[in-house]
Amino acid sequence: KAGVTQTPRYLIKTRGQQVTLSCSPISGHRSVSWYQQTPGQGLQFLFEYFSETQRNKGNFPGRFSGRQFSNSRSEMNVSTLELGDSALYLCASSPGPKEAGNIQYFGAGTRLSVL
Amino acid sequence: DQQVKQNSPSLSVQEGRISILNCDYTNSMFDYFLWYKKYPAEGPTFLISISSIKDKNEDGRFTVFLNKSAKHLSLHIVPSQPGDSAVYFCAASARRGGADGLTFGKGTHLIIQP
Repeated sequence: KAGVTQTPRYLIKTRGQQVTLSCSPISGHRSVSWYQQTPGQGLQFLFEYFSETQRNKGNFPGRFSGRQFSNSRSEMNVSTLELGDSALYLCASSPGPKEAGNIQYFGAGTRLSVL
Repeated sequence: DQQVKQNSPSLSVQEGRISILNCDYTNSMFDYFLWYKKYPAEGPTFLISISSIKDKNEDGRFTVFLNKSAKHLSLHIVPSQPGDSAVYFCAASARRGGADGLTFGKGTHLIIQP
């Protein structure tokens, strides 16, 4: 079974631009969560999608948004990029929403650098 | 305010000995705990989990202990092997209630010395 696939693996953008990251979950998994990892803050939860609906959202500004498609693939978008958005963005999938207590399986991440 | 804390940024252990990684949490709504291992340039890999109704869970060389009254959990790796060298993250979830997904500690870098 293929794991969680994130594209692209690396991305360089300039301040003020916007970016879209993509995540394909493990086949059969319907929940996708996104996390941001930075050296200072560690791994922080962005949002969770289940059945195309945002179920949970972390403490991030509205510039961070996402969506999930009917095939469970997910995208996250960051608008008006700031230098502080430079981070590793990780996507995780699980069979069900967090209430089900399922294990989350992570992709390798997208490394975003904002210049 | 860090709800999950791993107070040791790094830990060095000799090959063959026991590695003990510690994690403390403050949110009493957390009822499910997980340990992940991360190599550079890879995503976190799930190791082992424990529900708050248990105090111990074992999987091969890995055992997780949960002390709910102390809000403390630990991961024991016995015996430690060179391939165990990685960053280990403790994560917690409030499965019912709470808006967050997994809440992670900042990680402990485990180094296994030959």
